[in-house]
Amino acid sequence: QVQLVQSGAEVKKPGASVMISCTASGYSFSSFGLNWVRQAPGPSLEWVGWVNAGTGDTLYSQKFQGRVSITRDTSANTAYLELRSLTSEDTALYFCARGRGGRQIYLEHWGQGSLVTVSS
Amino acid sequence: EIVLTQSPATLSLSPGERATLSCRASQGVGAYLAWYQQKPGQAPRLLIYDASTRATGIPARFSGSVSGTDFSLTISSLEPEDFGVYYCQQRGYRPTEWAFGQGTKVDMK
Repeated sequence: QVQLVQSGAEVKKPGASVMISCTASGYSFSSFGLNWVRQAPGPSLEWVGWVNAGTGDTLYSQKFQGRVSITRDTSANTAYLELRSLTSEDTALYFCARGRGGRQIYLEHWGQGSLVTVSS
Repeated sequence: EIVLTQSPATLSLSPGERATLSCRASQGVGAYLAWYQQKPGQAPRLLIYDASTRATGIPARFSGSVSGTDFSLTISSLEPEDFGVYYCQQRGYRPTEWAFGQGTKVDMK
């Protein structure tokens, strides 16, 4: 079965960077993209970006353009989200999620979430 | 930019009752909308996609419908495990355009 396992919680100071990982199993990693979605206290959901696990091509929400990078390592079946210049508004639970089917416009499989806390 | 507006914010019901949740899209992108359920401490779970198709393993008491840019999720008879927060979601014509509604909390009366 499809599983997405994320790295653990992080505590960062304002201005720092954070990198969280998402390791996939149970399917052909390179055949699907992986999305990153965050959930701040609030509590709605916000799409951050996507990586084509096969080619490494990326798409980012305009909101995060310039301070986000999503990469992947096909040998480790792992995708990474790096967010730079952190502020308290980046405090959130970050999920990786795989799309459903060929269009991949719906998120069918989710990781357990990685809590990022930004605090001085 | 797509904006999804969900109503009501909270729905207080008893097990066995019918729940109807609404999601209005600010612009039409066809019947390409999903519903998710989220329980405390868990990731969202895909319930419905393409407005009315149940995802794998989702019980038949969950159904979705659409009329223009107005989408609905109906739970025909609430089970105790159905209480939680429900979100609608669309991806627009541009691949970077994703939108989620603000959520409807279904709690026990």
